[in-house]
Amino acid sequence: EAQVTQNPRYLITVTGKKLTVTCSQNMNHEYMSWYRQDPGLGLRQIYYSMNVEVTDKGDVPEGYKVSRKEKRNFPLILESPSPNQTSLYFCASLRQRNTEAFFGQGTRLTVV
Amino acid sequence: QKEVEQNSGPLSVPEGAIASLNCTYSDRGSQSFFWYRQYSGKSPELIMSIYSNGDKEDGRFTAQLNKASQYVSLLIRDSQPSDSATYLCAVSSNTGKLIFGQGTTLQVKP
Repeated sequence: EAQVTQNPRYLITVTGKKLTVTCSQNMNHEYMSWYRQDPGLGLRQIYYSMNVEVTDKGDVPEGYKVSRKEKRNFPLILESPSPNQTSLYFCASLRQRNTEAFFGQGTRLTVV
Repeated sequence: QKEVEQNSGPLSVPEGAIASLNCTYSDRGSQSFFWYRQYSGKSPELIMSIYSNGDKEDGRFTAQLNKASQYVSLLIRDSQPSDSATYLCAVSSNTGKLIFGQGTTLQVKP
């Protein structure tokens, strides 16, 4: 089954404790992206990757890191999480640019 | 001006009616347009994609695109309570970046 898999689905952590949210797709898509979704602000892009070893900032990259060492994986790293990073996070993959995005199940992150 | 604008709603329609959702965008170079449905706490799922001017129909859903006026709309015929959700308009810019509107909440009342 074609899918985008995120882990964990739920995470509660403390300020400053490094964490990684994993994202994996099995569709051989070139393009992957991370979004955060907050009430009243919609989906905002954090980072995106056009291919292996090619990444770029989205609209809200501060406090986040990404890497794309393999085509299927695109982890999101929070080196020192803060409470303002409490949000619902989605990973998405696209076959190529200008095509539809397929979303993972989402990760609800709470930073206390 | 926001890059992709939608009325946040809620838009309330009776069961069986036509729901009309609208979206405007600012980048004239935009190439691809999508409508996603999102239930609370769930991930967005693609309903329609449209790439050229005109109408595209799929079952009860019709997407309409007018590039000259920079708007895209979604019509839902014979609305059902299960259609109650937030509908996200997404536009792919000429750089390939996918930008989402804030979403319109649709309520279909039995």
